[in-house]
Amino acid sequence: DAKTTQPPSMDCAEGRAANLPCNHSTISGNEYVYWYRQIHSQGPQYIIHGLKNNETNEMASLIITEDRKSSTLILPHATLRDTAVYYCIVSVLRASGGSYIPTFGRGTSLIVHP
Amino acid sequence: EPEVTQTPSHQVTQMGQEVILRCVPISNHLYFYWYRQILGQKVEFLVSFYNNEISEKSEIFDDQFSVERPDGSNFTLKIRSTKLEDSAMYFCASRDMDRQTYEQYFGPGTRLTVT
Repeated sequence: DAKTTQPPSMDCAEGRAANLPCNHSTISGNEYVYWYRQIHSQGPQYIIHGLKNNETNEMASLIITEDRKSSTLILPHATLRDTAVYYCIVSVLRASGGSYIPTFGRGTSLIVHP
Repeated sequence: EPEVTQTPSHQVTQMGQEVILRCVPISNHLYFYWYRQILGQKVEFLVSFYNNEISEKSEIFDDQFSVERPDGSNFTLKIRSTKLEDSAMYFCASRDMDRQTYEQYFGPGTRLTVT
């Protein structure tokens, strides 16, 4: 799986957009970009994933650059409850049973302040 | 909304004892996983389980570890002879069989303390 690089920490004002960057310059053509988050010692929570196109769901938007070497997770209106560690993971959808195993790095610790 | 549950929330055991951590995955999910997170460290993959057998395992998952799906609802992780370094949060996760669904649903975790 390709290596990802994320800033160790960021902060954001409540109600503003939080833009979390991720570099994955060695990504290959069949690797997906996934984002998870972990709120203080709870189990990780899936946020969103994408391959080439930008994606949006009820939690966030994922912007992937045209060369796919970087991406940005956008929380459009951050709240205090969005304070968490955010993980950017690049992984292949394995052929065996469709399984994929996310490899968690250190992630970005996002602090949303009032 | 369906969720993965884990019991107990906290388990304290003495070194050398056997422990069983229990998980109830989401009912229609067919892929099951165990991860662990040592305090202050990364979340680490242990094992994945599908169709009543292990599909992948990491180097951490040695002979001291085993997994089982004893009935249609529970998924267990057994550590035969616990060591101090097994102290960690253990997370269970499950996933739908739909190949278009990549998200894994994680449980709240069991904190294992080995003394």
